[in-house]
Amino acid sequence: EIVLTQSPGTLSLSPGETATLSCRASQSPDSAHLGWYQQKPGQPPRLLIAATFYRATGTPDRFIGSGSGTDFTLTITRLEPEDFAIYYCRVYSVPVTITFGQGTRLEIK
Amino acid sequence: QVQLQESGPGLVKPSQTLSVTCSVSGVSISSGHYFWAWIRQPAGKGLEWIGRIHASGSGSPNYNPSLNSRVAISLDPSKNQFLLNLDSVTAADTAVYYCARWVPSGLIAFDIWGPGTVVTVSS
Repeated sequence: EIVLTQSPGTLSLSPGETATLSCRASQSPDSAHLGWYQQKPGQPPRLLIAATFYRATGTPDRFIGSGSGTDFTLTITRLEPEDFAIYYCRVYSVPVTITFGQGTRLEIK
Repeated sequence: QVQLQESGPGLVKPSQTLSVTCSVSGVSISSGHYFWAWIRQPAGKGLEWIGRIHASGSGSPNYNPSLNSRVAISLDPSKNQFLLNLDSVTAADTAVYYCARWVPSGLIAFDIWGPGTVVTVSS
């Protein structure tokens, strides 16, 4: 089973700034199997990025997924007020296991 | 469009079985293109994958190893629903339970989620 470790736990930034969220895997996953989700209070998670790089339908282009090996990053440029939320990375591995990171809370400074 | 909606008991007593249903609209769960999954989230905590099932019947459902001995996921194609049963529950099973669609190729992700249903385990 691949374990995902996200950092930082909490990130405090102002609108207009750039957020860099890290997701480190205990083993190198297939990059096609790494995704990112955004969750706001009282709502289910929403798919942002699939297969490390690809924005899901409706994801603004200020959300950028990158990474390889065991290190993956979600970069959010030009932060908007609606971007302040919790972000989870998620990996699929074989034998079939789906694992989430513990999340990064992005809060307004 | 595709929508998922959970329905559950709200309150379950310790040691009993938790049963939650996900009603799917906009796509047939029998179409074979997707897996149907359960994820849970205790209050203020992160997400935990419970398991997934495919309509093809060619393989067994896949379960989180930490829950494998207590969990069962099944399909009811006649109602376009899938179900979660979790046995011998304790307070640690108190959570929001989400159903979601898993896309196994291309996206390889949970692309559509239900709003979630809160289940509390308490006597």
